[in-house]
Amino acid sequence: EVQLVESGGGVVRPGGSLRLSCAASGFTFDDYGMSWVRQAPGKGLEWVSGINWNGGSTGYADSVKGRFTISRDNAKNSLYLQMNSLRAEDTALYYCARDVASGGAFDIWGQGTMVTVSS
Amino acid sequence: AIQMTQSPSSLSASVGDRVTITCRASQGIRNDLGWYQQKPGKAPKLLIYAASSLQSGVPSRFSGSGSGTDFTLTISSLQPEDFATYYCLQDYNYPFTFGPGTKVDIK
Repeated sequence: EVQLVESGGGVVRPGGSLRLSCAASGFTFDDYGMSWVRQAPGKGLEWVSGINWNGGSTGYADSVKGRFTISRDNAKNSLYLQMNSLRAEDTALYYCARDVASGGAFDIWGQGTMVTVSS
Repeated sequence: AIQMTQSPSSLSASVGDRVTITCRASQGIRNDLGWYQQKPGKAPKLLIYAASSLQSGVPSRFSGSGSGTDFTLTISSLQPEDFATYYCLQDYNYPFTFGPGTKVDIK
């Protein structure tokens, strides 16, 4: 079964750090780009960061640039998001998604992991 | 960054209605656009990719059109399970961006 499972969410104080992980299974992980997408409570979807198949190309939303770092380990079939200098507005459900190259096609999504930034 | 707008932000419709949602990009994005459906408490689901290609397993009442800056998602005959929020996504270049969403509810 093709599956993405996120982990690593939790409660963190403003200014703190957290590392999210996304474990992929059921497909050849290094055939695909990957992205992180978040959704604040009651709000819409926000693309956060993306990475190509070998990690050679990455992108970030302006809201997280310089604070978040995306990476992947193809040997471990895993995607990561290192989040530093966290703010209250980073509170959201974070999804990882498989990116089918182009055409706006994120065809597989995880169930999400919740990040709460609060003092 | 490319800005995506959607209209309307919400609509009320009845079962059997034809529903059209539009998405506009602030600059040309070829056909690098997808449409997603999200129900409460669930992850988004890909409906349409490359502006007009139907994702496998998605009912044929969903269709997409457009290229460049203007795009449309059409539901030909709204079904009870279609009441949800719909988003467009551009992946023409980084940073990718979603539209703000269109909530479709029951009239």
